[in-house]
Amino acid sequence: KQEVTQIPAALSVPEGENLVLNCSFTDSAIYNLQWFRQDPGKGLTSLLLIQSSQREQTSGRLNASLDKSSGRSTLYIAASQPGDSATYLCAVEAGSYQLTFGKGTKLSVIP
Amino acid sequence: ETGVTQSPTHLIKTRGQQVTLRCSSQSGHNTVSWYQQALGQGPQFIFQYYREEENGRGNFPPRFSGLQFPNYSSELNVNALELDDSALYLCASSPGGRLNTEAFFGQGTRLTVV
Repeated sequence: KQEVTQIPAALSVPEGENLVLNCSFTDSAIYNLQWFRQDPGKGLTSLLLIQSSQREQTSGRLNASLDKSSGRSTLYIAASQPGDSATYLCAVEAGSYQLTFGKGTKLSVIP
Repeated sequence: ETGVTQSPTHLIKTRGQQVTLRCSSQSGHNTVSWYQQALGQGPQFIFQYYREEENGRGNFPPRFSGLQFPNYSSELNVNALELDDSALYLCASSPGGRLNTEAFFGQGTRLTVV
């Protein structure tokens, strides 16, 4: 059974810092990995999708990497801003189109 | 703006009642999935529909059921509500097919069972 773990559970950083969020998964047989952002009480906003054949994806200040063989992904956020404060979730899809999620990392960026 | 819309946004029901939640998929998407997210947890997969047929189910009892319509909109029905059913229910749509499986989520329906 696929399990997804996100570390740390919460993170507080001063504005302007670069930061890394971690995601690990137990079964490396995945089709893709997706990073989402969730604001309190809201739905999920897709940030980046990495196919299993890819090593990384970039969008603006965000960069996500994938090491399928070791079951790890990182989300790098450059020059953090208070508007980046949210919970970040990673999810893997293992071929049945269903996503298995971690519990998320709650990020607070302090002005 | 993802294009996936859910209704209602909030709902309060009494234990034992039945509830129907609705989702309108993003244009051109033929696959819809439903997830339950308890407070402080990641979303849990309930089931998925592809072209009006159930195409996978998570570890949820049969009182959770669904429908997908020809226009690819979808419903989630929950019978005999329990207090533990209180959660945020999320709908996600995907284009379908192995080339593009990116999931786009709606804003969710917050269900409170009292």
